[in-house]
Amino acid sequence: DAKTTQPPSMDCAEGRAANLPCNHSTISGNEYVYWYRQIHSQGPQYIIHGLKNNETNEMASLIITEDRKSSTLILPHATLRDTAVYYCIVKSLWGAQKLVFGQGTRLTINP
Amino acid sequence: GAVVSQHPSRVICKSGTSVKIECRSLDFQATTMFWYRQFPKQSLMLMATSNEGSKATYEQGVEKDKFLINHASLTLSTLTVTSAHPEDSSFYICSARVFSGRDNEQFFGPGTRLTVL
Repeated sequence: DAKTTQPPSMDCAEGRAANLPCNHSTISGNEYVYWYRQIHSQGPQYIIHGLKNNETNEMASLIITEDRKSSTLILPHATLRDTAVYYCIVKSLWGAQKLVFGQGTRLTINP
Repeated sequence: GAVVSQHPSRVICKSGTSVKIECRSLDFQATTMFWYRQFPKQSLMLMATSNEGSKATYEQGVEKDKFLINHASLTLSTLTVTSAHPEDSSFYICSARVFSGRDNEQFFGPGTRLTVL
């Protein structure tokens, strides 16, 4: 599975949109982009995933560039409860199914 | 989303004893479960992939005789840390894979914090 690069930390003001970038320049055609987050001392929580089209659900939006080499997770109206480590993972839909976690981005939402 | 539970949530044991951690899928059947370990301020590290009815597949560097994994049913996988030592103190997290049509997702348990004295 392709590797991902994320900034180690980011800050965002409460109520504003949080935009978390992820680079995955070696992504292959059958690999999806997954986003999970981990709130302190809890198990990771699935947020969203996509292949090449932009995706939106009740938690977030995922914007994938046309060349698929990078993506952005958008939390439209960040709250204090969104403070967590956010992981961007590239994985094929089939095959080994392992999720390989990088270091992620520690997002802090400030009041 | 699907719910995965772990038991216990927290355990403290003496060095040399064995500890069993349970991972259950509460409202779905999971043919595949995964076990991760997380040390403080570090990311999750995959330890092994557990398939129901067969032997687990361990990641490189993980001792299969020390971390025994059993996946005897479609809703339960167990991880036993044998002869635990202080360096085994960590946050252990399981996940279960769910198929839903064209897609599949992994849902994670809340984790078990193991402290070995």
